Amino acid sequence: QVQLVESGGGLVNPGGSLRLSCAASGFTFSDYYMSWIRQAPGKGLEWVSYISTSGTTIYYADSVKGRFTISRDNAKDSLYLQMNSLRAEDTAMYYCARGRTVLRGGNFVDYWGQGTLVTVSS
Amino acid sequence: DIQMTQSPSSLSASVGDRVTITCRASQNINSYLNWYQQKPGKAPKVLIYAASSLHSGVPSRFSGSGSGTDFTLTISRLQPEDFATYYCQQSYSTLYSFGQGTKLEIK
Repeated sequence: QVQLVESGGGLVNPGGSLRLSCAASGFTFSDYYMSWIRQAPGKGLEWVSYISTSGTTIYYADSVKGRFTISRDNAKDSLYLQMNSLRAEDTAMYYCARGRTVLRGGNFVDYWGQGTLVTVSS
Repeated sequence: DIQMTQSPSSLSASVGDRVTITCRASQNINSYLNWYQQKPGKAPKVLIYAASSLHSGVPSRFSGSGSGTDFTLTISRLQPEDFATYYCQQSYSTLYSFGQGTKLEIK
């Protein structure tokens, strides 16, 4: 069965860095685009970043552009998010998400991890 | 950026009711619209993709419609397990965006 397991979250000072990881299993990782999606406490969902199957196409939300870097290692079935210059407003649960593409229907997330909590505070 | 606006933000209903949630995009997104359900402390789950396609395993009481800028999610007969928060999401532009959510509560 499909599993996405995030790790790497924790408490970090403003201006600090964290690297999130997502270990994928139960499917051919290299066949799917992947994303990071976050949710601040008590708030809605925000798409953070997207990476294509080969890693050649990458998008970021304006709120994290220039500070976060998404990457993947298809040999290790793993997705990463390097987060630098962290701010209090980056505090959120970060979800690893698998994407599917639908002909003439766009993309959607069909599997989510359980999330890893990032808290930015001094 | 494409803004997604859901209405209402919250809704009280009873088991057995028919409920409709709407989602409006700030520009045409064709049928590139998905609906997710999220329960407290859990990751979201997809219900509907491409505006009207029911995801595998989702009960048939859930349905979606619309295209262009206006979309609806309908739950035909509410069940106790349907009380949750619902989000729409567009994938028309590369900056995917979600609606603010609709919290469905028990009346």
